[in-house]
This record gives sequence, structure tokens and C-alpha cells, in this order.
Amino acid sequence: DVKVTQSSRYLVKRTGEKVFLECVQDMDHENMFWYRQDPGLGLRLIYFSYDVKMKEKGDIPEGYSVSREKKERFSLILESASTNQTSMYLCASSFRTAYNEKLFFGSGTQLSVL
Amino acid sequence: AQTVTQSQPEMSVQEAETVTLSCTYDTSESDYYLFWYKQPPSRQMILVIRQEAYKQQNATENRFSVNFQKAAKSFSLKISDSQLGDAAMYFCALMEYGNKLVFGAGTILRVKS
Repeated sequence: DVKVTQSSRYLVKRTGEKVFLECVQDMDHENMFWYRQDPGLGLRLIYFSYDVKMKEKGDIPEGYSVSREKKERFSLILESASTNQTSMYLCASSFRTAYNEKLFFGSGTQLSVL
Repeated sequence: AQTVTQSQPEMSVQEAETVTLSCTYDTSESDYYLFWYKQPPSRQMILVIRQEAYKQQNATENRFSVNFQKAAKSFSLKISDSQLGDAAMYFCALMEYGNKLVFGAGTILRVKS
């Protein structure tokens, strides 16, 4: 079974802190994605990557950056956490096909910024 | 731009009954994929069913089936013989060729015993 592992299930941080959310997949997937999930808004794409050291902005990249130094790992970075970044963060991965239709998701990290 | 709308924030169904979750979408493409994902309390997103836009036949997966109306841009999910384990948040999603997956706001499904 494909496994997408997010390092923390719950995280509490202070305003202004630098926050790292880690995601690792074990299926040699080329594509990796970071979404945030908020009530009433569904999932919104923050950043994605189609290859090592490659990144593309999604719909809501402001306040975030990413790092992909190795194929299996995709990190989301909040340079200076703010309260409006309190949310559920979901990582996903897939093979590179014309349609990235089969996404595999991690179990999410619930981040609270106080 | 791709958009997905789920107009039902919450739905309830009695165990063993049938329920239909609604989804409408907008895209300028003729070729795309549509999906229903389930997110139980464990938060693990699970792909329930998918539909290729070029296929006229509605997709089915056991108790789950879709009603795909391409002209109306409608993609509803029907769950037959509802079970307690079906209780979850359900997301409708759209993907255009070579593009990213866009999700709706979700529908919470409650199953009553």
C-alpha cells in the first residue's frame, strides 16, 4: 500500500515562529502537493512539485514556501506563522501522468497558531 | 478557471436508505476527470469514485454510483444501502488535463441508525 506520512498529527506554534511541516511518500511518486483544508472552503492548493528541486505555486501560496531536496520528501514552510494560518494541512502524492488523477493523501496535520 | 460547487453543507440518511450528494462544476475544457473523495474522522482521504468526461456511461463502485450530466455540468453521488461507516465528509473534485485537482467545499454526511 502507498504510504504518505506527515510528521505531526497536531502542532501548536506561536505567532512569528518558523514552522516546518514534513511529508514523506514511499512509492517513488514524481508529484507531491500541499493543500490546506478549512471549513466551508474545502481543500485549496498551496504548492506542488513535479520533480526534485522543482516547485510551482498553487492557488494560495502567500505566506508559505516549500522545499523538495529528495524525491520522497516535500516540506511546507511557514516563514513567520500567523493566526490566519491555523488550519488542517494535507500532503498528497501521485505518479506523473497526463492526469494526476490518483492522489494518495497523508492523514493531515492540524496546525494551531496562537 | 475550474470551479466546483457543493451546495449541501450537511446531509442525513437513515441506515440502509439511499442518499444523493450534489455537485456542480465549471470548466472550459471538454476533457477532464471528476472525483468523489471521502474523508472519515480519521482524516484519511479516500477516493470513492472517478469519472472520465469522455465516457458517457456513469461510473459505479459497489454501493456508490454517479449521475454525470456533462451538458449541465453536474456530477452527483448516490450511496445505496447506506451504512454507518459511510458517515464522513465527502468532497467533489475536478481535474483538467495536466492541471491540478480543484475541490468543492464538502458535504458532511450523517448516517442514523
